[in-house]
Amino acid sequence: QKEVEQNSGPLSVPEGAIASLNCTYSDRGSQSFFWYRQYSGKSPELIMFIYSNGDKEDGRFTAQLNKASQYVSLLIRDSQPSDSATYLCVGGTASKLTFGTGTRLQVTL
Amino acid sequence: DAGVIQSPRHEVTEMGQEVTLRCKPISGHNSLFWYRQTMMRGLELLIYFNNNVPIDDSGMPEDRFSAKMPNASFSTLKIQPSEPRDSAVYFCASSLRPRVEAFFGQGTRLTVV
Repeated sequence: QKEVEQNSGPLSVPEGAIASLNCTYSDRGSQSFFWYRQYSGKSPELIMFIYSNGDKEDGRFTAQLNKASQYVSLLIRDSQPSDSATYLCVGGTASKLTFGTGTRLQVTL
Repeated sequence: DAGVIQSPRHEVTEMGQEVTLRCKPISGHNSLFWYRQTMMRGLELLIYFNNNVPIDDSGMPEDRFSAKMPNASFSTLKIQPSEPRDSAVYFCASSLRPRVEAFFGQGTRLTVV
């Protein structure tokens, strides 16, 4: 079992819709969680982080964390074509960050 | 700050040759990570340093790979001898400490022919 699991996609949503990206993790020692966005041929860039159970909102992005279920999600409201990228879920313990393999999101016109 | 700086951006080498990848972390960051990304395996952590000391190298594929961090502003990842299966994008990232957000360099695309 991978430490951080994501559906590889592609997840296709129409422009203006809500995109929902999901992630599960196995290490209960994980204390911090991040979502990175990676455009094709580019390096990953941080878009959200969440440390506590519940929701955290930043503009069109909402990160959700449920430690009991070991589940992390990212919602993107009003999806735009520029949101088309691979989204990487990351779990952090005291010693390292572990990346999921990413979900490819396609926002269609 | 210019961010994490990696060199070279692209490297093409012949099988059996030695390859050295370089990284300059963000000033003040105490943790440095080397990742390898392929289509098949995604982003894999190879090794990370904290305060210039290697903490976890369990991701280093085999003895052909070695990494050093002689000081807080420089790290190298060396592959000797290189093999075609080493072809990938190698990222260096740095962070203030291990479990907070990491900032990535632009990566080195390595092709071994």
